[in-house]
Amino acid sequence: DAGVIQSPRHEVTEMGQEVTLRCKPISGHDYLFWYRQTMMRGLELLIYFNNNVPIDDSGMPEDRFSAKMPNASFSTLKIQPSEPRDSAVYFCASSPSGSSDTQYFGPGTRLTVL
Amino acid sequence: KNEVEQSPQNLTAQEGEFITINCSYSVGISALHWLQQHPGGGIVSLFMLSSGKKKHGRLIATINIQEKHSSLHITASHPRDSAVYICAVPPVDDKIIFGKGTRLHILP
Repeated sequence: DAGVIQSPRHEVTEMGQEVTLRCKPISGHDYLFWYRQTMMRGLELLIYFNNNVPIDDSGMPEDRFSAKMPNASFSTLKIQPSEPRDSAVYFCASSPSGSSDTQYFGPGTRLTVL
Repeated sequence: KNEVEQSPQNLTAQEGEFITINCSYSVGISALHWLQQHPGGGIVSLFMLSSGKKKHGRLIATINIQEKHSSLHITASHPRDSAVYICAVPPVDDKIIFGKGTRLHILP
């Protein structure tokens, strides 16, 4: 298996633009997690899905953030409109059975909002 | 209130030294993760443990659930071990919490 795939790897955009980050989890994994990492706050869980259903989105910072998982092999994290404080590395991870199981991280998307 | 505390924050050591990184947490958990983040940014899961000890190569992780404490040890450290090591705890019925990480630098 190729592991968790994220795209794009780098994104530079201007404030106010819509940003869409993509993730393909490992086949057969029932859980998908979106994380954000910044220097100030470290790693934070934004949202996670179980069998394509959002379970906990309490980490999503604002209504500008939304996440979807239309099928077992694809998820998106969208920011609209983007702001400079959204600049961070966004990681997607998947696991066979939840946060008490080993998680496999994607390479991350480095987002810069100017 | 910091629910996951790691120490030290930064550690520089000579190649070959025995390394210990500590993680203390205040919430009830069923398991604890140790992650390694490479200088390039990639994150790898090293261990997931709920009791006792696990060993993988030169890495050893221990956990004491009663004392709410875990340690990550590296024997015969090598410059390629230089990375940030992150402790993560998924509380029972709550979302996962990460420590701030320990930045390890092994000098040749």
